[in-house]
Amino acid sequence: DTEVTQTPKHLVMGMTNKKSLKCEQHMGHRAMYWYKQKAKKPPELMFVYSYEKLSINESVPSRFSPECPNSSLLNLHLHALQPEDSALYLCASTSTQGLQETQYFGPGTRLLVL
Amino acid sequence: AQSVTQLDSHVSVSEGTPVLLRCNYSSSYSPSLFWYVQHPNKGLQLLLKYTSAATLVKGINGFEAEFKKSETSFHLTKPSAHMSDAAEYFCVVSGAGRRALTFGSGTRLQVQP
Repeated sequence: DTEVTQTPKHLVMGMTNKKSLKCEQHMGHRAMYWYKQKAKKPPELMFVYSYEKLSINESVPSRFSPECPNSSLLNLHLHALQPEDSALYLCASTSTQGLQETQYFGPGTRLLVL
Repeated sequence: AQSVTQLDSHVSVSEGTPVLLRCNYSSSYSPSLFWYVQHPNKGLQLLLKYTSAATLVKGINGFEAEFKKSETSFHLTKPSAHMSDAAEYFCVVSGAGRRALTFGSGTRLQVQP
């Protein structure tokens, strides 16, 4: 089973709202990721959590706040977003076999900021 | 440093004809290479991966890719396109050290009836 789940599938929010995206995997993967994908572009890395600790933050604005409560769950808290933050937000987790790592992606949350 | 170049932003084929999506990579060490597919409004699905075990890699849905070190290429092929293959395809490289991926810019595959 290589399933990563994300909720909600769609989200519409105003610029003053606070919302959260949720990502879950039960494959025992110890690295989890948030990506942002704009239309017709490849995903851009936002954050990496390794063993529940933030290991990479790609200079993401503070209006995006990640959280990893446990090894299966990854949240992305959103506050005071801008219309240009509208995008598909993808979560991924990594399977490690020896030195080989493979990332598995969730279906994404499509976010629209009004 | 590592990089990926997908040589075609858009490929159009007729149903039942072969598919070739081209990818060149650059890496200062022995990379892992992947192809992912993304259907409209969906997440990324792993098609196949190269991890140095064999240069010809078979993936899901009849896709294959061949790793050619001398040409630094990892082209994706399928003998016979199906309408359901219409999607965006990403060639991706993963290197040592950083637990992240470098994506190509993507190739949109159109399949004509």
